[in-house]
Amino acid sequence: DQQVKQNSPSLSVQEGRISILNCDYTNSMFDYFLWYKKYPAEGPTFLISISSIKDKNEDGRFTVFLNKSAKHLSLHIVPSQPGDSAVYFCAASGNSGYALNFGKGTSLLVTP
Amino acid sequence: EAGVAQSPRYKIIEKRQSVAFWCNPISGHATLYWYQQILGQGPKLLIQFQNNGVVDDSQLPKDRFSAERLKGVDSTLKIQPAKLEDSAVYLCASSLWETQYFGPGTRLLVL
Repeated sequence: DQQVKQNSPSLSVQEGRISILNCDYTNSMFDYFLWYKKYPAEGPTFLISISSIKDKNEDGRFTVFLNKSAKHLSLHIVPSQPGDSAVYFCAASGNSGYALNFGKGTSLLVTP
Repeated sequence: EAGVAQSPRYKIIEKRQSVAFWCNPISGHATLYWYQQILGQGPKLLIQFQNNGVVDDSQLPKDRFSAERLKGVDSTLKIQPAKLEDSAVYLCASSLWETQYFGPGTRLLVL
């Protein structure tokens, strides 16, 4: 039972343009959402988070938007850089302490 | 600040053998998690500790997997006996509050 879904397995974007990664969730008890970035042979690295009391959180080139009514969040990367090429995981918590429910990931490729 | 440490980084065993993984969390982090990540999937929680007590082990296959966190710091995850489907990356994470920080993982291959 996949409670967090990332429906795009991959995304290719040109350097300098905006990357938009999407995530949907089904459990209305989730109240904290995170994005992680993962390079091959490394563990996931925390990128940015948002709590359900907000609808937007910004950190440099990264912005996360939360639409609670649609149970949807998105990560915007502006401008995209080749070093952003990685797998991005969306995760959510709230129904069981802080344990995270992850999506399957979206592989982002930023081309020069 | 040192991150989450895990060892070994890679392990190859034959089915029915035993294996153990070690994790040292970020200093001061009371909560420690073990996740299993199968190729092409997101990480899945196996067990969550708060200090040295178990908070959630509902998805841990207890017939073959065990974990402990003695003294509320380091933790060990053991598989005995291993099956082919246990081939995965085993990730350890720690947290103070909501945000979890992950180690590099142990990649296990069961032949």
